Amino acid sequence: AQTVTQSQPEMSVQEAETVTLSCTYDTSESNYYLFWYKQPPSRQMILVIRQEAYKQQNATENRFSVNFQKAAKSFSLKISDSQLGDTAMYFCAFTAWRGDTGRRALTFGSGTRLQVQP
Amino acid sequence: DTGVSQDPRHKITKRGQNVTFRCDPISEHNRLYWYRQTLGQGPEFLTYFQNEAQLEKSRLLSDRFSAERPKGSFSTLEIQRTEQGDSAMYLCASSLSRTGAGGYTFGSGTRLTVV
Repeated sequence: AQTVTQSQPEMSVQEAETVTLSCTYDTSESNYYLFWYKQPPSRQMILVIRQEAYKQQNATENRFSVNFQKAAKSFSLKISDSQLGDTAMYFCAFTAWRGDTGRRALTFGSGTRLQVQP
Repeated sequence: DTGVSQDPRHKITKRGQNVTFRCDPISEHNRLYWYRQTLGQGPEFLTYFQNEAQLEKSRLLSDRFSAERPKGSFSTLEIQRTEQGDSAMYLCASSLSRTGAGGYTFGSGTRLTVV
C-alpha cells in the first residue's frame, strides 16, 4: 500500500517570498508519478505540477518547482514569488503506473494550508 | 467543454434518507473516479470506472454505497440510509487513459451534510 505524508498542516508566507512545502511517500512500486494539487476555497482541485519517477530532472512550472529525492522518497514543492492567489490547501499525491489498464487512482496526503500574507 | 460537472453542489439530508449525486465528466474522458473528502483531510479513493465498467471499489465503499456509469458517460453515486458519518465532500474526477497519469480533471464536488 502507498502512503503520502505531509507533516506541515499550516504554513504562512509573505507576498513575494519563497516557501517550501514538504511531502514524503512510501511505496514499493518502481514506476510512479507524484503530483501537487492546489485546492482554493472554491474547492475545485487544480493540478500544480507533476513528476515522473523515472525522470531525474526536477519538474518546474513557472513559479512552482519540485525537489524530488527518489532515494529518500521525498517530494517537496517550492513556490517562488508567492502571490495572494496562492492561498489554498496544497495536496501531495501519488499514483503507481500500471500501464493503460492500471487503476491509476490517486493517493493523497492530508494537505498543507498555505496562507500568503500581504 | 466546460470541464467536470457535479450536481448538486450542496445537499442536506436527514439521517436514514437516500441521496444520489451526479457527475458529468469531460466528454472524451473514458475514466471516471469518485473520491470522498472530509474536512481538513485529503480526498480518499472510493471507486473508478473505465467506460461503463466499474473496475475497482475501495473498502470505504460500504454496501450502502452504489455507483453506476451507464453507457460510459455520466455517473451517479447513491448513498442509502445515510448516516452522520457520511457527511463529506464527494469529488468526481475524469481522465483519458491514453494520456498517461496526471490528466485528471476534478469537479467542484458535492457537499453532503447529514443531520
